[in-house]
Amino acid sequence: DTGVSQNPRHKITKRGQNVTFRCDPISEHNRLYWYRQTLGQGPEFLTYFQNEAQLEKSRLLSDRFSAERPKGSFSTLEIQRTEQGDSAMYLCASSSGGYSNQPQHFGDGTRLSIL
Amino acid sequence: GENVEQHPSTLSVQEGDSAVIKCTYSDSASNYFPWYKQELGKRPQLIIDIRSNVGEKKDQRIAVTLNKTAKHFSLHITETQPEDSAVYFCAASTRTDKLIFGTGTRLQVFP
Repeated sequence: DTGVSQNPRHKITKRGQNVTFRCDPISEHNRLYWYRQTLGQGPEFLTYFQNEAQLEKSRLLSDRFSAERPKGSFSTLEIQRTEQGDSAMYLCASSSGGYSNQPQHFGDGTRLSIL
Repeated sequence: GENVEQHPSTLSVQEGDSAVIKCTYSDSASNYFPWYKQELGKRPQLIIDIRSNVGEKKDQRIAVTLNKTAKHFSLHITETQPEDSAVYFCAASTRTDKLIFGTGTRLQVFP
């Protein structure tokens, strides 16, 4: 399966701890997106990359959140000093570039639970 | 601001009936409208999409219609089957290519 891969699938941590998630996009997809999804809601945009450049960050993304895509392949999303409200499913999606609005394909997500 | 409204939030139909889900978007620059199906505990799966230069698109039992003037788009599922039961999300692109999602419709198809 060469789809979008996310690790870990589940993360349980205590409030105040730092967590890091990884996303491996479909190979040759140069766009990579991070979304957050809470129960009963649609995915909510966080940030996205074109190759290694971070092109946009949501205003919802506090300074405790940082994302990187250092070599334009996999990406990491780090949350520092986690809070209860950070509990959610964190989804990654990728798309091919070149033209705007190419279909975005999602991974299975990382479910974060803050104790 | 950028917003997508989706209705209804829940929809129950008998197997074989049709189901229609409607969305409205606010950003006049939106030009791409995908629909995703999400089963419990699984990833959102792209089922159909439409671009602003097209008014309707069909793929077997699924069709999507777009009215750019009214900023409405709809998903139509015909001859529904129990395996169509899931949460469906509409989305609209922004001028920066990110997607704004609706709040979802839980579709239940009863045998």
